[in-house]
Amino acid sequence: EAQVTQNPRYLITVTGKKLTVTCSQNMNHEYMSWYRQDPGLGLRQIYYSMNVEVTDKGDVPEGYKVSRKEKRNFPLILESPSPNQTSLYFCASSLGQGVSNQPQHFGDGTRLSIL
Amino acid sequence: GQQLNQSPQSMFIQEGEDVSMNCTSSSIFNTWLWYKQDPGEGPVLLIALYKAGELTSNGRLTAQFGITRKDSFLNISASIPSDVGIYFCAGQGFTGRRALTFGSGTRLQVQP
Repeated sequence: EAQVTQNPRYLITVTGKKLTVTCSQNMNHEYMSWYRQDPGLGLRQIYYSMNVEVTDKGDVPEGYKVSRKEKRNFPLILESPSPNQTSLYFCASSLGQGVSNQPQHFGDGTRLSIL
Repeated sequence: GQQLNQSPQSMFIQEGEDVSMNCTSSSIFNTWLWYKQDPGEGPVLLIALYKAGELTSNGRLTAQFGITRKDSFLNISASIPSDVGIYFCAGQGFTGRRALTFGSGTRLQVQP
């Protein structure tokens, strides 16, 4: 089954304690992206990756890092989480090269609470 | 980041009724997408539109890409209880970043 898998689904942690949210897709997609969803603000892009070793900032990248060492994985790293990063996070992927308007498919989300 | 103007914010209808929702933007988009999100899950793609004026159906769902590239609508015919959820429009730009700009969502409730 084609899917985007995120882990963990839920996490409660404390300010300053580094955490990583993993994202993996099994569709051989080149393009991957992270979004956060907040009430009244909709989904906003944090970082994206056009392919392995190619990443760039989205609309709200402050406080986040990403890496793309393998095609299937795109982890989101919070080096020093703060309460304003409490949110619902979604990873998405789509076909990349040569198919610039292919729709993005989303994982089931990770709910982070930073105390 | 920019948000699309999506309306209505919520709808409460009777089973069997038709539903219509729309999105408008001040920017032109290359692609319009409609997603549905159920509680505890990620957005699921319903319909993708790639050309201005395009009208596309997926079962009881019909969506159109506006001629000006700045708007889109989604219609659901003969609604059923499982149509309950939040519907989001999203516009995708022309740049390589391909970020989706999302509407604020339409919460649909269907009374059996």
